[in-house]
Amino acid sequence: AQKVTQAQTEISVVEKEDVTLDCVYETRDTTYYLFWYKQPPSGELVFLIRRNSFDEQNEISGRYSWNFQKSTSSFNFTITASQVVDSAVYFCALSDRAGGFKTIFGAGTRLFVKA
Amino acid sequence: EAGVAQSPRYKIIEKRQSVAFWCNPISGHATLYWYQQILGQGPKLLIQFQNNGVVDDSQLPKDRFSAERLKGVDSTLKIQPAKLEDSAVYLCASSLAGYNQPQHFGDGTRLSIL
Repeated sequence: AQKVTQAQTEISVVEKEDVTLDCVYETRDTTYYLFWYKQPPSGELVFLIRRNSFDEQNEISGRYSWNFQKSTSSFNFTITASQVVDSAVYFCALSDRAGGFKTIFGAGTRLFVKA
Repeated sequence: EAGVAQSPRYKIIEKRQSVAFWCNPISGHATLYWYQQILGQGPKLLIQFQNNGVVDDSQLPKDRFSAERLKGVDSTLKIQPAKLEDSAVYLCASSLAGYNQPQHFGDGTRLSIL
């Protein structure tokens, strides 16, 4: 079955703290794609990163980094030195063939960064 | 590059009334999606188009919801008659063809049913 679990409903940190958002997925496919999206208070979801199942290299983009581990079916997202502008809801998503080429989203993690 | 355009931004109607939402995708994007996002939840796919054909509408409540994609570009989503549980944000997204493609979202329409 196709499933994405974001167990953390809400996280609150103080500015400049590091924070990790967890994502665990389930799929029968060997070829699949994982995504992270950010939804700020304005409401528009913004694409952050895509990772395919054959590329387990971690990725860093500025203060953002992603850790993909197939052994634990996890695709975690870390924000280093968080800022108030990072406050948003973050969604992890999975797209595969077994799911009919649909993308399913996790329930999201709401991140509050306090000044 | 212009983003995904949606209208209206907000809509308030009474139950049993009808409502329609409009979406204009990014130029050149073959795939168009309509999602329903209930407060505190992730987006749930209602319907997915590839050009003007339906790829998936398995979660579309077809007794009250309908959608079309005109000439493979713009799309409308209609609800008739609306129920209280339809209160949600309706998101339109578009992407290049392929399930590996990231999706680009519009601002959404916040629908309130009284």
